[in-house]
This record gives sequence, structure tokens and C-alpha cells, in this order.
Amino acid sequence: DAKTTQPTSMDCAEGRAANLPCNHSTISGNEYVYWYRQIHSQGPQYIIHGLKNNETNEMASLIITEDRKSSTLILPHATLRDTAVYYCIVRVYGNKLVFGAGTILRVKS
Amino acid sequence: DSGVTQTPKHLITATGQRVTLRCSPRSGDLSVYWYQQSLDQGLQFLIQYYNGEERAKGNILERFSAQQFPDLHSELNLSSLELGDSALYFCASSVERGAEAFFGQGTRLTVV
Repeated sequence: DAKTTQPTSMDCAEGRAANLPCNHSTISGNEYVYWYRQIHSQGPQYIIHGLKNNETNEMASLIITEDRKSSTLILPHATLRDTAVYYCIVRVYGNKLVFGAGTILRVKS
Repeated sequence: DSGVTQTPKHLITATGQRVTLRCSPRSGDLSVYWYQQSLDQGLQFLIQYYNGEERAKGNILERFSAQQFPDLHSELNLSSLELGDSALYFCASSVERGAEAFFGQGTRLTVV
């Protein structure tokens, strides 16, 4: 599975959009981009995934660049409960998820 | 609630002992994954089973073993426990070649 690079930490004001970037320059054609988050030692929570097209669900939007070498997770209206570690993972369906260090997102009031 | 159930939630045991962690996947999920998360390390992949067969192996110690049973629940056995084995152990499950893997709430193991 391809490696990903994320900023170590980010701050966001409550109510504003949180934009979390991820680089995955060695991604293969059959690899999907996944986002998970982990809130304080709870089990990681699935957020969203995508292959090429932008995706949106009730939690977030995923924007993938045309060359697929990077992506951005957008939380449209961040709340304090969104404070967590966010993991960007590249994975072939059915394979293991390889977690990096992730981005610590701190949402501040 | 992800639908993945892990028991027990907490476990305290002494060095040298053996413990078994249990995972019940979501209904219909054939794949089970085990992860370890220590304080000073991130989420480390241990092992994956698919429909009873081992599918992928990570940096799992020889003192650790796992299996997936015909009813698809899985157990992770940790033996000759050391202080350094204290960690959160997570189980996740997904359908065949599934898009999403869903995680349980983990078992917190403390070795004293």
C-alpha cells in the first residue's frame, strides 16, 4: 500500500470548515483513499473513502486531485466533538489498513 | 455503535500470564483484523483473517496468536505477557473485499 504524508497537527475554529490535507504521491490505480478518525483512545471511526471522484457523506467531503496524488478531507462545520486524530490511508479493497501518525485536529471555541 | 463487539473491555493481568481477547464481527462480515495501540506507538496491524483463514500478517510477536472460528468470531491469544504488551487491542471487521472496515471499542490490557 502507498504511503501517505499528513501534517502533524492543525487547529480550527468551531463552526468553521476544517480542511485536512494528505499527500499520497505513489498511489496505485486500484488503491482507494480512506479517512478514519480516532477520538481519545476510542476505536477508529470510518469517515469516508474515494477512488477518483469527490465524495460527500453526512460527516465530510473528500476532494481528490485529478492526478490522485493528494486529497483533502473537509469537515464543513467543525465542532468541539470533532477534535481527534485523523488518519489518511491508501488501501486496496480488502487489504489491511496501515495507519500512520495522522493529523491531530484541535477544534477551538 | 460500529456493530463490532470486543470483550473484555478492560483486563489486568500479571507478567508471564496468558490472556484471550475476543472479537465478534458485524453480522455478515467475513474479514477480521487485529491491531495493537501502545502509548508510545500508533495503531500497529497484527493479523487479518478472512472466513477462517489467515490472510495477512503484520509484526505480530510469536507469543501472540489468533484464530477465526466457523461462526466468524475471532480470538487473539497473548501469552508470556510482558509489561510492554500493555496496550489497547482493537478488532475491526469488513465484508468480503469490503470498502469500509469497522472497529470495535477495544480491549485495554494492563500487564503488571
